[in-house]
Amino acid sequence: DAGVIQSPRHEVTEMGQEVTLRCKPISGHDYLFWYRQTMMRGLELLIYFNNNVPIDDSGMPEDRFSAKMPNASFSTLKIQPSEPRDSAVYFCASSRTGVLNQPQHFGDGTRLSIL
Amino acid sequence: QKEVEQNSGPLSVPEGAIASLNCTYSDRGSQSFFWYRQYSGKSPELIMFIYSNGDKEDGRFTAQLNKASQYVSLLIRDSQPSDSATYLCAVKVYGGATNKLIFGTGTLLAVQP
Repeated sequence: DAGVIQSPRHEVTEMGQEVTLRCKPISGHDYLFWYRQTMMRGLELLIYFNNNVPIDDSGMPEDRFSAKMPNASFSTLKIQPSEPRDSAVYFCASSRTGVLNQPQHFGDGTRLSIL
Repeated sequence: QKEVEQNSGPLSVPEGAIASLNCTYSDRGSQSFFWYRQYSGKSPELIMFIYSNGDKEDGRFTAQLNKASQYVSLLIRDSQPSDSATYLCAVKVYGGATNKLIFGTGTLLAVQP
């Protein structure tokens, strides 16, 4: 089975530009999670969806960040306008509903650099 | 107090030794616990999960859970240089509409040949 697919793998852009990160979850998984990882703060949950509906966006840093999941196989995380402090690795993960032991499977991440 | 705490390390062990990685958590309602391994520049990958008190073994890995002490650990027997990575402890908060993992900041393990 294909894993979680993220694009692009790397993104370098200038401050103020709009950045869009994309994610395709594993087929059949009904939870999708967006994380940000930095050396200082570790792995932080930004937002997650269940059946395409946002459940908890309390980790989204500010209004410059937005996320959508228009269907079960696609999600985007958008930053507008971008700032240098947004530089990080952004991971998407997915999992199935259910019992206690359902793990999250991570994509390869997008390494974002804002100049 | 952080919700999930790990010693950042680095934890250095010689090849063939047992590496012991520890994690404490603050929410007594936590129900299941995961260990992820992350190589430098890569994504986290699941090693093990545990949700019952006691030990759970999988090959060279053993997860230990003590809910009364709010403590979970990972033992790696016969450590190999290829085990050198950051190990992330994650605690699952599950119930109602909530279904998310809270991650610790990870422990860097270095296995010396």
